[in-house]
Amino acid sequence: DIVMAQSPDSLAVSLGERATLNCKSSQSVLYSSNDKNYLAWYQQKPGQPPRLLIYWASTRESEVPDRFSGSGSGTDFALTISNLQAEDVAVYYCQQYYMTPYTFGQGTRLEIK
Amino acid sequence: QLHLVQSGAEVKEPGTSVKVSCRPFGGTFRSLSLAWVRQAPGQGPEWMGRLIPVFGTPNYAQKFQGRVSITADESTSTLYLELRSLTPEDTAVYYCARARNSDHLFDYWGQGTLVTVSS
Repeated sequence: DIVMAQSPDSLAVSLGERATLNCKSSQSVLYSSNDKNYLAWYQQKPGQPPRLLIYWASTRESEVPDRFSGSGSGTDFALTISNLQAEDVAVYYCQQYYMTPYTFGQGTRLEIK
Repeated sequence: QLHLVQSGAEVKEPGTSVKVSCRPFGGTFRSLSLAWVRQAPGQGPEWMGRLIPVFGTPNYAQKFQGRVSITADESTSTLYLELRSLTPEDTAVYYCARARNSDHLFDYWGQGTLVTVSS
């Protein structure tokens, strides 16, 4: 199975500042035939299901604010949240959909400092 | 806009089975790629398996092989997850989710069904 390791486990950032969340996969999720990284990011607030934010490592889902951006390739990825807002407090998960079983990271909890 | 509605919370004893349902509204049931994803308390989500009703054959995570069944009732447009031989480690929120196109990224989610396994 591909193991997804997220860091840090928790992060406190001031309002208006930038948060960077990291995700590392135990093997590459880059499919060479189409040059796509099979990596998604989700946001989960208490009592709610996960919400898809980013797919193909850097494509923003519709209606997701442009302060959310994804980057990286191969095995190392990042989710950056610029101009942090109070409503961004949540747990964020990365997920690989390169191969079965489709695995998620353990999450990074983002809080306001 | 797709809306996935799941059945209510369940409390089960160890060794028994649970069956959770998911009904999509706003999509063509037969062609939807629907997955079950569970989330134990304080942990990340875990993919269990997927079914496209028009094809009929589910795919399961190896971890759950032999203990899980994902089925679809086209007459009621309902997806089911049955998990057998429950243990306390199966206590989790179980979600149905749509897998977009042929990729296993999940863009629509049900509200979740809490299954508690306890004696």
